[in-house]
Amino acid sequence: GENVEQHPSTLSVQEGDSAVIKCTYSDSASNYFPWYKQELGKRPQLIIDIRSNVGEKKDQRIAVTLNKTAKHFSLHITETQPEDSAVYFCAASRDYQLIWGAGTKLIIKP
Amino acid sequence: NAGVMQNPRHLVRRRGQEARLRCSPMKGHSHVYWYRQLPEEGLKFMVYLQKENIIDESGMPKERFSAEFPKEGPSILRIQQVVRGDSAAYFCASTGQGIETQYFGPGTRLLVL
Repeated sequence: GENVEQHPSTLSVQEGDSAVIKCTYSDSASNYFPWYKQELGKRPQLIIDIRSNVGEKKDQRIAVTLNKTAKHFSLHITETQPEDSAVYFCAASRDYQLIWGAGTKLIIKP
Repeated sequence: NAGVMQNPRHLVRRRGQEARLRCSPMKGHSHVYWYRQLPEEGLKFMVYLQKENIIDESGMPKERFSAEFPKEGPSILRIQQVVRGDSAAYFCASTGQGIETQYFGPGTRLLVL
């Protein structure tokens, strides 16, 4: 079955710098890759997603890249702000079930 | 997404009691997923249901846990004879037919004393 690994588990960056979180997946048939942000005590919320027919997608300060050959995808956050502090989860899906990464705690230092 | 509703938001039970968690999917959605999350940990898949059907319950313990999604009304996750280890946040998410994006409810925080 599918397995998703996410790194790093914790990431601390200076406010204004960029943050990059990486995920690898095992099932080459996976074709949908969402990223969710979860603030403390809140629900996970979709921030960006990408499908396997696209290599990159951008939405303001957030971008996701997908390398199908290497089976990895990454989340890029530029010009980080204090409100970016949260736990970020990647996931991969082929059919109905999302297989989740373990999460990355992003800390933005003032 | 505000469209997925869960209640109660907080639930306190004593060991041995039953816990019933409810999830109303977003309007137009007919697929529901239940997840469990321990503090500082990720989301653990429990069960996937469509109206009146359990599609995949591979993540749900065989004993004490059950789930349903009736034709009318919310999806229900039932935990019988709760133990302290059941204390966690339980999230549901919903999708529509042919839609992959899962939208989450606010969660139910279960505390077993």
